[in-house]
Amino acid sequence: NAGVTQTPKFQVLKTGQSMTLQCAQDMNHEYMSWYRQDPGMGLRLIHYSVGAGITDQGEVPNGYNVSRSTTEDFPLRLLSAAPSQTSVYFCASGLTYDDTNYGYTFGSGTRLTVV
Amino acid sequence: RKEVEQDPGPFNVPEGATVAFNCTYSNSASQSFFWYRQDCRKEPKLLMSVYSSGNEDGRFTAQLNRASQYISLLIRDSKLSDSATYLCVVNHKQAGTALIFGKGTTLSVSS
Repeated sequence: NAGVTQTPKFQVLKTGQSMTLQCAQDMNHEYMSWYRQDPGMGLRLIHYSVGAGITDQGEVPNGYNVSRSTTEDFPLRLLSAAPSQTSVYFCASGLTYDDTNYGYTFGSGTRLTVV
Repeated sequence: RKEVEQDPGPFNVPEGATVAFNCTYSNSASQSFFWYRQDCRKEPKLLMSVYSSGNEDGRFTAQLNRASQYISLLIRDSKLSDSATYLCVVNHKQAGTALIFGKGTTLSVSS
């Protein structure tokens, strides 16, 4: 059981480049989300999805796009990379029932550096 | 006021010590509560959920006080392997069932 798989694990981008961070889960979870983690800032929610075809913005959505065409996949797109987007990105998935969240499983993260 | 606040520490304790972490949350509509553990340069992992009646898992005890909007984690008989950052996490309906994370409390257990 792979759980949540993120690729790539490391990436260096030049300012202005675009790229897609991949996230896939094999647990049939409805809920998927992207967080970024910066020193001293904790984990901050970028975008989330409560099911295929449904996405919404989190706390820090600017500069990022997401889509959810299948239950399994939730890619995060950086439209035009900026140095401020240098961070560690975590994808997470989980089950919710009756508006209660039962906890997330996280991927191993993508360490992104924008130069 | 931050939604979830934790003392960042670090807490430096010897093996065998008992240590307690506290956390406060600002949204009274919060419905689910968790403690996560994060090792250096790794992903967060669910340590335990926190229930209103309090709950225990081996050396770990979590408690919730809804009236004071306060969550705690007690670790007894600390091990070297307990060294990590502990994240207090809440969720509430208004956040679309998203989890809101505190910044974490760092624990270092020494021999």
